[in-house]
Amino acid sequence: DAGVTQSPTHLIKTRGQQVTLRCSPKSGHDTVSWYQQALGQGPQFIFQYYEEEERQRGNFPDRFSGHQFPNYSSELNVNALLLGDSALYLCASSGEKGQGTSGNTIYFGEGSWLTVV
Amino acid sequence: RKEVEQDPGPFNVPEGATVAFNCTYSNSASQSFFWYRQDCRKEPKLLMSVYSSGNEDGRFTAQLNRASQYISLLIRDSKLSDSATYLCVVSRYTGFQKLVFGTGTRLLVSP
Repeated sequence: DAGVTQSPTHLIKTRGQQVTLRCSPKSGHDTVSWYQQALGQGPQFIFQYYEEEERQRGNFPDRFSGHQFPNYSSELNVNALLLGDSALYLCASSGEKGQGTSGNTIYFGEGSWLTVV
Repeated sequence: RKEVEQDPGPFNVPEGATVAFNCTYSNSASQSFFWYRQDCRKEPKLLMSVYSSGNEDGRFTAQLNRASQYISLLIRDSKLSDSATYLCVVSRYTGFQKLVFGTGTRLLVSP
């Protein structure tokens, strides 16, 4: 049973560029959340997707956008990258197909390390 | 003020020592409480959930005080492998579950 998988694992981008990060949730899960973890900080909630819609959003600018596909996988897009966007981006999955809103255990992927230079 | 506050440490302890971490949270509507462990450059992993009645998992004991909005984690007989960052996490479930993390407390266990 595959857990949460994320790609790419590491990437380097230049200020002003755009980046897309990808996530496949754990088998049987239909809800995907994205978190940003800057160095020395705890993860910060970006947004959550369920049934292909953004359900809730944290305190992040519109440069951060996302998408969820019918197979429950998700993408995080960040436009006009800033140096401060350098962080570990974590994808978390939860829920069971058809339930989605349950508060069961959340599983994290290994994350995507983004460096903006 | 951050919603979840932790002492960032580091806590330097010898093997075999007992160490305690504390955390406070500001939102009284928080419903679920957890300790996550995060190794260097890895993803957070659930260590244990925290209940008002207190719960124990081997050498680890977690406690929740809702009145004081205070969460604790006690590690007994520390092992070298316990060296990691311990994240205090609270959650409110309002149709969806969002985790709010503290900054984490770094533990270094030395021989």
